[in-house]
Amino acid sequence: EIVLTQSPGTLSLSPGERATLSCRASQSVSNIYLAWYQQKPGQAPRLLIYGASSRATGIPDRFSGSGSGTDFTLTISRLEPEDFAVYYCQQYGSTPITFGQGTRLDIK
Amino acid sequence: QMQLVQSGPEVKKPGTSVKVSCRASGFTSPSFAVQWVRQARGQGLEWIGWIVVGSGNTVYAQKFQERVSISRDRSTSTVYMDLSSLRSEDTAIYYCAAGGIGGWNNYFDPWGQGTLVTVSS
Repeated sequence: EIVLTQSPGTLSLSPGERATLSCRASQSVSNIYLAWYQQKPGQAPRLLIYGASSRATGIPDRFSGSGSGTDFTLTISRLEPEDFAVYYCQQYGSTPITFGQGTRLDIK
Repeated sequence: QMQLVQSGPEVKKPGTSVKVSCRASGFTSPSFAVQWVRQARGQGLEWIGWIVVGSGNTVYAQKFQERVSISRDRSTSTVYMDLSSLRSEDTAIYYCAAGGIGGWNNYFDPWGQGTLVTVSS
């Protein structure tokens, strides 16, 4: 099983700042099958990034993903008020499909 | 536009079973997969398994292998997740999500709205 570890657990920033979220895998993720999801309270997760760096349909270009192998990053270039949420990484290249424990992005 | 609509909340007693449905619309391929994920209150996301709607092929997480059954009704494009021998730790929101063609190597998009299952005596 591939274990995904996200850091930090909580990130406190202000609107307009840059956010950098990390996801580290216990072993290499096949063919960059790594996704990022955003979840707001009371809502289902929403796909942001797939294939480590491809933005999903309708996702603003302030969201970007990078990385390969075991180290992946989600960057939000300039935070908007609606970006404060919990973010999860997911590997879907091998079963069991696994998720990181999440990073909570709070307003400072 | 793809859409998944799930059934309503359930309250079950320990030891019983629950069946959650997920009706899909807007899908053009019969080979698309529907994934199931759960989330306990305040916790992260846990993958349960998937079904390919056209073939009925399933893949389950080992943790749930003996208690879960995912099935489908092709005529109504509805997928069902049946979890048996319920215990309090199964209390969670259960989500279905579109898992691409065939299920393998696909991200989850879109997601259903979620179904709260509460297990309580």
